[in-house]
Amino acid sequence: EPEVTQTPSHQVTQMGQEVILRCVPISNHLYFYWYRQILGQKVEFLVSFYNNEISEKSEIFDDQFSVERPDGSNFTLKIRSTKLEDSAMYFCASRKDRTVNTEAFFGQGTRLTVV
Amino acid sequence: GNSVTQMEGPVTLSEEAFLTINCTYTATGYPSLFWYVQYPGEGLQLLLKATKADDKGSNKGFEATYRKETTSFHLEKGSVQVSDSAVYFCARHSGGGADGLTFGKGTHLIIQP
Repeated sequence: EPEVTQTPSHQVTQMGQEVILRCVPISNHLYFYWYRQILGQKVEFLVSFYNNEISEKSEIFDDQFSVERPDGSNFTLKIRSTKLEDSAMYFCASRKDRTVNTEAFFGQGTRLTVV
Repeated sequence: GNSVTQMEGPVTLSEEAFLTINCTYTATGYPSLFWYVQYPGEGLQLLLKATKADDKGSNKGFEATYRKETTSFHLEKGSVQVSDSAVYFCARHSGGGADGLTFGKGTHLIIQP
């Protein structure tokens, strides 16, 4: 069964460093998402991406964050200068289309620890 | 803004017990509603969904009914198994034409043999 894959599974970085989280969505999907879950809190929407541009973003997704689909396969989330409060589990998701019956498929997540 | 509230965990039950995990949502629009499950070491998987009032989603013995009058989407299963131990997330479409999901905090379910 096709799946969304994320790498790495765990990333430790120093505060102030740039980090790139990588995702490979399901190949025929057109809509891509990033979510995060701070430990003990709810899963929060960050951004959605379609046709090589951001279609929607939350207030969490400030200028420190950017997304890219550099090669038609990978979908990346970059955090420019990490802060301690960026420590969280980051989930990538993809959907084939936006109809209400279409499921979002999630990856296993990348646990980011900022020290 | 839109939100989803689900019961706090962990919920610990014995095998074959009846399960209810409560979920309520803010009544903005008519969002699609979902339950996702996260087994240990894995990603979020869609368990079931309902797209309009009175719809019942079901999968793997789990059920949830979209109740507009009580703005609820409670998850139920008649007889749980040890393999159902996981974290369960209730979610809704964020609304206003947006297609991101708004999640609850998650409920950790522990089934003891």
